[in-house]
Amino acid sequence: SAVISQKPSRDICQRGTSLTIQCQVDSQVTMMFWYRQQPGQSLTLIATANQGSEATYESGFVIDKFPISRPNLTFSTLTVSNMSPEDSSIYLCSVQLSSGARGTQYFGPGTRLLVL
Amino acid sequence: GESVGLHLPTLSVQEGDNSIINCAYSNSASDYFIWYKQESGKGPQFIIDIRSNMDKRQGQRVTVLLNKTVKHLSLQIAATQPGDSAVYFCAENRGDSWGKLQFGAGTQVVVTP
Repeated sequence: SAVISQKPSRDICQRGTSLTIQCQVDSQVTMMFWYRQQPGQSLTLIATANQGSEATYESGFVIDKFPISRPNLTFSTLTVSNMSPEDSSIYLCSVQLSSGARGTQYFGPGTRLLVL
Repeated sequence: GESVGLHLPTLSVQEGDNSIINCAYSNSASDYFIWYKQESGKGPQFIIDIRSNMDKRQGQRVTVLLNKTVKHLSLQIAATQPGDSAVYFCAENRGDSWGKLQFGAGTQVVVTP
């Protein structure tokens, strides 16, 4: 498995501002993912963030709203831009240790965001 | 679109009994499935996985069954303990989707003494 940390663990933000969430892994991984989990709901994939390439976004998510950086094999950031109350969610990063098409994903503890 | 869903949103189980959590999937191209456990305030924790070339896989106190004919997945927890109280998610992965997981709605398991 992998040890994954996220910062901040939680935050309360004002609408119109932006928040950058950090994800740190204790080993080098090729495949990292960002998910959103709205209150009481399941997880929805936002984007895939692989090192050395631009992040690929899922339907309904755009780079201007959720810019992602992946500067190296152990770190990634997700920014939630121009926030509104609808962005209040848990944001989770995950990593896949194997480099193949499929494999077990391990999740960070999440960042709990409340937008007022 | 195609999705993964669960039959029961809440499952109440007496301590010591066996739990069965069900999941239906509709994407016939999915070939890898994972069960996750999410405790309150934490991220999902990997429990067990199964590939589509298998119909059963066992772990410690857990068993996953896969029925591709009816597109059904289940997680069995033996001798359920209070620490098993959590939300359980199934997730599917298509071989051509390079790691992208699609999650089911989740089942809240409540273990009663």
